[in-house]
Parts: sequence; C-alpha cells; structure tokens
Amino acid sequence: DQQVKQNSPSLSVQEGRISILNCDYTNSMFDYFLWYKKYPAEGPTFLISISSIKDKNEDGRFTVFLNKSAKHLSLHIVPSQPGDSAVYFCAASAQSNNNDMRFGAGTRLTVKP
Amino acid sequence: NAGVTQTPKFRVLKTGQSMTLLCAQDMNHEYMYWYRQDPGMGLRLIHYSVGEGTTAKGEVPDGYNVSRLKKQNFLLGLESAAPSQTSVYFCASTKAAGTNEQFFGPGTRLTVL
Repeated sequence: DQQVKQNSPSLSVQEGRISILNCDYTNSMFDYFLWYKKYPAEGPTFLISISSIKDKNEDGRFTVFLNKSAKHLSLHIVPSQPGDSAVYFCAASAQSNNNDMRFGAGTRLTVKP
Repeated sequence: NAGVTQTPKFRVLKTGQSMTLLCAQDMNHEYMYWYRQDPGMGLRLIHYSVGEGTTAKGEVPDGYNVSRLKKQNFLLGLESAAPSQTSVYFCASTKAAGTNEQFFGPGTRLTVL
C-alpha cells in the first residue's frame, strides 16, 4: 500500500509564479520528510527536508510546510523558473527505521517561460 | 568526486538470465540502498546495507540478492530475471543513520523480455 501519495501527476505554471506541490501520507509514525528533484536520465537529488517538530522550513526559493494533523505537506517554489521543470518526489521515514524511506509517485512540474 | 556511480546504464535480459548491477560510491558513506522505480509509483526500497558486510531487506526484496563486501560497493543480483523486474534501478548512499539525505546514482534501465 502506498503510504506516501502525490495525487497530482503533473503541474504547469508560468515563470515567476508560485508552484505548489502537494503530498499526503498515511503512516503516523513518519517524522521526517524530504523532497527530491529529478531530471530525465539522472538520479533524484535532495532539495529540502523537514522534521515533524517543525511546521515550516525555508531554503531560498523553496519552502516546505508540514501539517501533521492533516498528514499533509507541500512544497512551495517562489518564483518558479524554467530550470525548476523536473519531477518532484516527496519522501518520508520514521525514526524507528529511518533506512526504510517511502516515496510518492512524483509530480512533473513544467515551468513555462 | 564521482559521487554514486552505477554500472551498467542499460541492459536487456531474457527471462531466466542472471545479472549483477554494480553501485560504487566515493564519499565514504556507511549506508547504501537499492531502489526500483516503476511508472506511476515512487521509488521502492529493495535491499539496503548499514555497513560493510551487512545487508537487510527492504519493501520489495523478492527475486533479488545483494552483497556489500567492500564499503564503497553495493551489488544487486538477479538470479533468474522475470519480466516483472523490468524497471529503472537506483542506488543511493548516505553518511549515517538519521542523516536522511540520500545521494543517488544515475540509474540503470533494465528490460527483461
């Protein structure tokens, strides 16, 4: 069963606007969440993470928000740039077994010039 | 630093054939992982290793074996390939438990006919 879900397979936004990518999880034991970015023919690369003790983490144009009660997190990219066009994966793990990371199916973001 | 490298990049097998995928990292990381990625699904953990000489099962271990004889290498073996093992395989490594940012290789695209 998919414990991490990204319900939007794709998202298209205009350059300069905000991109919001969403992720839901079902396992209440998850306490660490990450976003990875993947370009074609490359492996995923780490983007940003958040621990369950926080509800927001910011790194430049990227901000991740965590709503524990709703078991929902989102990644905001402001402003969006054409180079941000990629597939974004949400991932989650539990401190009890932080080697077992679960990934969502990914959202393909296209930023149009 | 080459980071995480994977060999080969592409491979086509016939049902019943065997092969080994090689992952190498030059970052002196303790933890290494093998994932598979299938369309519409996130990355799923096959096996992982928390140090030289150790291995453990992940979410989808059946049909695969692994070995970690040297710290820098993690091998994934398919003894008798099946069409269901057609996938893109990613290797990843990380410094230590709790440091959840994983560094990924570029992937191996395997087709089993």
